[in-house]
Order: sequence, then C-alpha cells, then structure tokens
Amino acid sequence: DTEVTQTPKHLVMGMTNKKSLKCEQHMGHRAMYWYKQKAKKPPELMFVYSYEKLSINESVPSRFSPECPNSSLLNLHLHALQPEDSALYLCASSQDYTQYFGPGTRLTVL
Amino acid sequence: AQKITQTQPGMFVQEKEAVTLDCTYDTSDPSYGLFWYKQPSSGEMIFLIYQGSYDQQNATEGRYSLNFQKARKSANLVISASQLGDSAMYFCAMRRRETSYDKVIFGPGTSLSVIP
Repeated sequence: DTEVTQTPKHLVMGMTNKKSLKCEQHMGHRAMYWYKQKAKKPPELMFVYSYEKLSINESVPSRFSPECPNSSLLNLHLHALQPEDSALYLCASSQDYTQYFGPGTRLTVL
Repeated sequence: AQKITQTQPGMFVQEKEAVTLDCTYDTSDPSYGLFWYKQPSSGEMIFLIYQGSYDQQNATEGRYSLNFQKARKSANLVISASQLGDSAMYFCAMRRRETSYDKVIFGPGTSLSVIP
C-alpha cells in the first residue's frame, strides 16, 4: 500500500481565515514533505519533516505553519493568506528513495 | 547546483504508438537518482519509474522504460503503446540524499496528449 491521503480536496478561504490542511500516511515512512504547485509549473518544496522534526523550511512565509504531531500525520496551518497563495498543495512521504504523493488540496484564497 | 531540463513543453502522440520524453540533468554528486512522475489533470503525482546512478541496467516498469545515458546525463522516458489515459503532464526529477530524507528537484514538465 503506497497511499498518502490529504484532506480537504478543495478549500476556499478568505484572507482573514485560519484553516488547516491534513496529510496522513500509514506506510511507516519517516520523512514527510509539503510542496506548493502553481498551474503548469513543477512542485516547489516548502517543508521537510524527518523523524517528526522540521529539517527544511525553504524560506516559506510565516503565514504557513507546519506541524507533525506524530510519524503518520502532517498538518499545514494557514493564516492570513494572500490571493497569490492559491495553488495545489501536495504532501509526500518517503522511506527509501521514492517519494509518494497524496492527491493534493486545491486552495483558493479570495 | 543540480538542474533538470525538459526541452519539450508539449508533445502529441497517436494512440498505440511509442513516445519518448526527453530529460537531461546536471549534478556533481556521484550518487543520485532519477524519477519520472505523471500528473493527470486531477492533480495527483503518480510515481512511474526510478533509476539509480549506479544501476547498470535501464529501469523498466510495464509500458514505461527509462533510457539512461550517464555520460550524456540524459534520462529519457519511453512509453510504449500509448493509451488515451497517458494524456497528462510528465515530470522528470532528481533526488539527492540528505542525512535522513531526500531532496527532489523537478524539471519544468512535458505535457503529453494522446490522439485517438
């Protein structure tokens, strides 16, 4: 089973809202990733968690706040987003060399 | 610095024909890995195939094969017997192993359209 799940599938939020994206995997992978993808562009790495510790923050604005409550779960808390933050947000996990991606959350910021 | 180049923004192929998607890469690391991912319009990134830099043989997975030419730094994807469901964006990617995770760099992608 190589499944990574993400909720919600779609999210529309205003610039003053607070929302969270959720990612879950039950493959025992110890590294989890958040990517942002704009239309017709490749994914851009945002955060990496390794063994539940934040290993990479690719200079992401503080309005994005990651959290890894346990080895299976990864959250991305959103607050005071801008319209340019509208994108597909992808979660991935890996143990060896392959990153397995979830279906993504399509976020629209009004 | 690592870089992935995909020079074909868009490709068309007739159903049941084979198609080659080009990928070249640049790295100074002796150990690396190369992937191909498929992304349909639904958005999910689907892992297709992987080639390690020390692998002697070209990787194959069903209708997908990776034509790995290390000296030329190319890792082209060959899809045999194209199907309508193959229409999607295809990304070539390269991994660099960090201490306990992988950092993956993606190319700009190639949009493949399969024509009935």
